[in-house]
Amino acid sequence: AQSVTQLDSHVSVSEGTPVLLRCNYSSSYSPSLFWYVQHPNKGLQLLLKYTSAATLVKGINGFEAEFKKSETSFHLTKPSAHMSDAAEYFCVVSLLYSGAGSYQLTFGKGTKLSVIP
Amino acid sequence: DSGVTQTPKHLITATGQRVTLRCSPRSGDLSVYWYQQSLDQGLQFLIQYYNGEERAKGNILERFSAQQFPDLHSELNLSSLELGDSALYFCASSVRTGDGFEQYFGPGTRLTVT
Repeated sequence: AQSVTQLDSHVSVSEGTPVLLRCNYSSSYSPSLFWYVQHPNKGLQLLLKYTSAATLVKGINGFEAEFKKSETSFHLTKPSAHMSDAAEYFCVVSLLYSGAGSYQLTFGKGTKLSVIP
Repeated sequence: DSGVTQTPKHLITATGQRVTLRCSPRSGDLSVYWYQQSLDQGLQFLIQYYNGEERAKGNILERFSAQQFPDLHSELNLSSLELGDSALYFCASSVRTGDGFEQYFGPGTRLTVT
């Protein structure tokens, strides 16, 4: 089955230290992948997306992610965490709904990032 | 601000009632999606419309229905509400439907069923 798995439900880092949020996907083809962020009581905002171009994708606010087909991973990183990065992060895969013939986004369970001052 | 608007922001209603959630997509976006976010189920895709036509159905209950109007705004109708329907309902839009098109999310409607 095609799916996306976020390996950590909660990650805590100190301000100024690197951030690593892990995501693995399962798919019979190379899917499009996204990272979205949700701040408390807010909607979801697109951080970055991968659509089979460059494997290293740069997003907003200093985040980037690397697509590794051999590892079926799409981990999100940032060199230095800021207090404003505290939020929930969702790894998302675009999957083909065979019955409908259309692509839909399937969300991971989310990783809550806490940043300690 | 994503450009997607949703009304109302909050809704409190009783079991057995019916409510309508409204969504206006970003200017120029033809596709609208509805999602439900709850603590136990996470973010789940409910239904998609593209230029007025239903394109795909996800985990949408039979008590729920949606439509997209000629001006491209969409409404999600929830009927015979149960306590378990309490959740955050998001609308998203994209310029087209297909692989790789990112979706832009509205701020959500928080539904509380008492």
